[in-house]
Amino acid sequence: QKEVEQDPGPLSVPEGAIVSLNCTYSNSAFQYFMWYRQYSRKGPELLMYTYSSGNKEDGRFTAQVDKSSKYISLFIRDSQPSDSATYLCAVHRGAGSYQLTFGKGTKLSVIP
Amino acid sequence: DVKVTQSSRYLVKRTGEKVFLECVQDMDHENMFWYRQDPGLGLRLIYFSYDVKMKEKGDIPEGYSVSREKKERFSLILESASTNQTSMYLCASSPRTGISGKLFFGSGTQLSVL
Repeated sequence: QKEVEQDPGPLSVPEGAIVSLNCTYSNSAFQYFMWYRQYSRKGPELLMYTYSSGNKEDGRFTAQVDKSSKYISLFIRDSQPSDSATYLCAVHRGAGSYQLTFGKGTKLSVIP
Repeated sequence: DVKVTQSSRYLVKRTGEKVFLECVQDMDHENMFWYRQDPGLGLRLIYFSYDVKMKEKGDIPEGYSVSREKKERFSLILESASTNQTSMYLCASSPRTGISGKLFFGSGTQLSVL
């Protein structure tokens, strides 16, 4: 079983829709959960960051972690064409670990 | 503004050539990483370095080596390029302290090996 599973999509939604992106992970040792956004021909950039279980909100974006089910979600409200990108979930064990494990990414297109 | 700079945006090389990919960061970060990104396979860690002259193998180190002689510079070396090394190569850096797992990426080098 891969450490992080993410549906690659692609996902296409109309402007203004609510978008739900999801990942599952297999190892309960992971403590930090991240979402990176990658625009075409660019490197990924950190979008949201959560420690342990719970929700975190930043503007139109909400990151959710359920450690009991090993499930990570990113919600985008009022999606905009500028949100069109590939979204990668990532997990990290925390202090003492250097490695970040990425999902394969979901390509999102928001249609005007 | 923080920056990770990769020396080439596009690179075309021939099979068997020795290839150097250069990465420089201006944030005084201790940790530096090399990933490759392939469709359907996602981001895979090749090597990382947590200090000058230190290196650790990632998930797919075969066919690659690295060099870190200065804190700001991390080089990826393909000793004898092969067609299966055609890929997007991404360099990243992170500080030793701060948010665990927060990486700063360069824009990538698209390498084609013919």
